Amino acid sequence: GQQVMQIPQYQHVQEGEDFTTYCNSSTTLSNIQWYKQRPGGHPVFLIQLVKSGEVKKQKRLTFQFGEAKKNSSLHITATQTTDVGTYFCAGHSSGTYKYIFGTGTRLKVLA
Amino acid sequence: DGGITQSPKYLFRKEGQNVTLSCEQNLNHDAMYWYRQDPGQGLRLIYYSQIVNDFQKGDIAEGYSVSREKKESFPLTVTSAQKNPTAFYLCASSSRQAGGYTFGSGTRLTVV
Repeated sequence: GQQVMQIPQYQHVQEGEDFTTYCNSSTTLSNIQWYKQRPGGHPVFLIQLVKSGEVKKQKRLTFQFGEAKKNSSLHITATQTTDVGTYFCAGHSSGTYKYIFGTGTRLKVLA
Repeated sequence: DGGITQSPKYLFRKEGQNVTLSCEQNLNHDAMYWYRQDPGQGLRLIYYSQIVNDFQKGDIAEGYSVSREKKESFPLTVTSAQKNPTAFYLCASSSRQAGGYTFGSGTRLTVV
C-alpha cells in the first residue's frame, strides 16, 4: 500500500539556524498537506500544495511540492524556539478520500 | 467557535474492559477520522467515515469499533480485543472545502 516517509526523524538546531524536512511518497500524490504538532498537543494544519512544482511561503516557512508529485519539503529559515514540535506531511492519492500521514520530523531548537 | 471536542482528555481503564472515546464536531464537516499515535510515532488511521451511517476500516482497525449515527458525532470504542490499547487517540474531521483536517485535542488512554 501507499507509504509516506519523512526524513530526518529528529533534528536539533541552534536558534537562528535553518531547518528542512523531506517527505517522500511511494505513489504519485494528488496533493500534500503539512501539519505541526507542538509537544503535548494535537496536529494543526499548516498548508496544502496541489500543483506540480508548487512553492508556497508562510513567513519563515517555505513549502515545496516536487515536479513528479511524489515528494515535498518544508524549510524553516532562522528557526525560533516557537518552531519546536513535530512536523508531519500527509499525502492524498486520487480515488481515495483519506490522507496518509508521514512518520514526522521532531524539531528541537536550542536557545 | 467551531471545532472538535474530544472527551475525556485522560482515561484510565483496567485491562479487559471496553472503553468509548467521544468525538463531537460542530464544523458541519462530512468526514471524520480516528487516529492512534504512540510515543514518538506518526499517526495511524483506525477508522474513517465519509457520511452518516457509513464508515470504513483504516490501517489498524482490529480491536476497535465505531458508529456514525449523527453527522456531528463519531465515537470510538476500544474493545478488550485490542492487544495494546495504551496510546494517544486523535479525532479529526474534514470537508472538501476546508482543505486540511481539523483535529481534536486528543484523549490519552492508559490501560492498567
